[in-house]
Amino acid sequence: SAVISQKPSRDICQRGTSLTIQCQVDSQVTMMFWYRQQPGQSLTLIATANQGSEATYESGFVIDKFPISRPNLTFSTLTVSNMSPEDSSIYLCSARRTGTGGPTNEKLFFGSGTQLSVL
Amino acid sequence: KQEVTQIPAALSVPEGENLVLNCSFTDSAIYNLQWFRQDPGKGLTSLLLIQSSQREQTSGRLNASLDKSSGRSTLYIAASQPGDSATYLCAVMFPSGTYKYIFGTGTRLKVLA
Repeated sequence: SAVISQKPSRDICQRGTSLTIQCQVDSQVTMMFWYRQQPGQSLTLIATANQGSEATYESGFVIDKFPISRPNLTFSTLTVSNMSPEDSSIYLCSARRTGTGGPTNEKLFFGSGTQLSVL
Repeated sequence: KQEVTQIPAALSVPEGENLVLNCSFTDSAIYNLQWFRQDPGKGLTSLLLIQSSQREQTSGRLNASLDKSSGRSTLYIAASQPGDSATYLCAVMFPSGTYKYIFGTGTRLKVLA
């Protein structure tokens, strides 16, 4: 298993500002992901954080709004830029360590999430 | 379009009852299915992972089954306890180049003491 530390756990921000969320894994992982969970809804994948290269974004999410860094195999950041009240959500970091069975044989682990409220 | 659906959206049961949570998916060609638990305001905890070649997985009072042909999975919780109260989500890994999961909307479970 992997332990994922995510911070901040919650924040209240003003419209137009930016917030950077940090995610630290206690061991090297091959894949790291960022999800958004809007109130009362399920998880939506924002992007896959690639080590040493640009993140891979899902449809509807763009780098200018959600820049992501992953400087090494254990750390990633997600920035929510130029925030509006519609960005109020829980943001979740997750990771998967690919074992001998390949990428389909490994559980997905999550950080505790960042509860973001934008006024 | 690949979708994952969970019914019911919410469930309330008395303590000690055995219960079944349902998950359905639109494409039978899956890599695996994973069940998670989410406590209010928290991240997700992985409960069970079922590979596409498997029919079920068990962990303690939890048993998850998989029927790919019908596009269904069930999570069985035996002898439910108030501590089982949480939202349960299933996530399916469909064949794609990115090995990403698609999540269901979850079942919010409340076990009454």
